[in-house]
Amino acid sequence: GQQLNQSPQSMFIQEGEDVSMNCTSSSIFNTWLWYKQDPGEGPVLLIALYKAGELTSNGRLTAQFGITRKDSFLNISASIPSDVGIYFCAGLISGTYKYIFGTGTRLKVLA
Amino acid sequence: DSGVTQTPKHLITATGQRVTLRCSPRSGDLSVYWYQQSLDQGLQFLIQYYNGEERAKGNILERFSAQQFPDLHSELNLSSLELGDSALYFCASSAGTSSEQFFGPGTRLTVL
Repeated sequence: GQQLNQSPQSMFIQEGEDVSMNCTSSSIFNTWLWYKQDPGEGPVLLIALYKAGELTSNGRLTAQFGITRKDSFLNISASIPSDVGIYFCAGLISGTYKYIFGTGTRLKVLA
Repeated sequence: DSGVTQTPKHLITATGQRVTLRCSPRSGDLSVYWYQQSLDQGLQFLIQYYNGEERAKGNILERFSAQQFPDLHSELNLSSLELGDSALYFCASSAGTSSEQFFGPGTRLTVL
């Protein structure tokens, strides 16, 4: 079945540092979504990407839709303690209505 | 607040029982999705409905079923519950069949 590999699985960073994470697959996607989930809460949509090569920002967050349409990247600049949480990517498989989710990147920020 | 509501927030039941989880999508959204998230795991897609019709199916067990009603709210029915069914169940909604999804707060199901 289709799989979405998200890395890193977890990371500890110092406050003020930049963070990068990515999702890759062997499948081709038409849409990429990035979510943040706090413990016990529902995922919150951060950024949506619809075209290969697209680069979109939301405050300190920037995400890119890979040109091969098989990957996506999320960067967080100047991290702050409230960035702590789990970040998920989700990709809409080309030719389907089906989204698959990455396994998540657990981010911990040290003040 | 995403605008998606789910009830109940918590549910504790015993093995072998049946429960129903309810979801109301954002105003104007026609698609509803159901996901299962076990402890410290990712989101597993279960099923999608669009305007009352089943549109996509994921790894949904035969003991589970769902439907979307004419007023667009959806229910997920879980029967013959097992310990392993304990998880967070999320509903999400979107305007179309492939647009961005907005998640509800989830229902935490505990099977004892």
